[in-house]
Amino acid sequence: NAGVMQNPRHLVRRRGQEARLRCSPMKGHSHVYWYRQLPEEGLKFMVYLQKENIIDESGMPKERFSAEFPKEGPSILRIQQVVRGDSAAYFCASSPPTGQGLSETQYFGPGTRLLVL
Amino acid sequence: AQSVTQLGSHVSVSEGALVLLRCNYSSSVPPYLFWYVQYPNQGLQLLLKYTSAATLVKGINDFEAEFKKSETSFHLTKPSAHMSDAAEYFCAVCVDTGRRALTFGSGTRLQVQP
Repeated sequence: NAGVMQNPRHLVRRRGQEARLRCSPMKGHSHVYWYRQLPEEGLKFMVYLQKENIIDESGMPKERFSAEFPKEGPSILRIQQVVRGDSAAYFCASSPPTGQGLSETQYFGPGTRLLVL
Repeated sequence: AQSVTQLGSHVSVSEGALVLLRCNYSSSVPPYLFWYVQYPNQGLQLLLKYTSAATLVKGINDFEAEFKKSETSFHLTKPSAHMSDAAEYFCAVCVDTGRRALTFGSGTRLQVQP
């Protein structure tokens, strides 16, 4: 059973460009979470999604950031008009559906390291 | 709102010595608590978790943690450190499985000296 997959692993963008980060959850998992890790800091929650629904986006910046988890395909975290402060590691996690064992446990992907020049 | 405090951003131990990484949480309702390990340039790997069953939780690689409600603590221990344990360790709390967001501590970097 493959783990959570994220691509690209590394992404370089110039200021003003768009960044698209992809996350494929573990097989059978229907919940996806995005976290951001700034250098020398812990992870900060951004958004929690289920298929075609945003459940909690309380950690998302109000502007330039959006996330989706379509019925088919990976979850996408999109950052428009990137700025240098967006440089960070972005981690995706997934968990099983509610009601199944270990539904509260999140399994993390390897992350996408975004560098904005 | 919940929070997590990890005392000591850097901990150094000798190989074979006891490892103790401290975590205190703040929560108005019974929490779920987690310890994750992060190796350089990698994602987070779950070490162990507390979900209101036994207060002493055993995880992978001989790590364990004890939930102490009276002290609001969930310290991580390992009897004998290995060089391969050198990594960053994060404590995290979740208090609302409906909302599910994990709140992480700032991390503790463990160094293991030969």
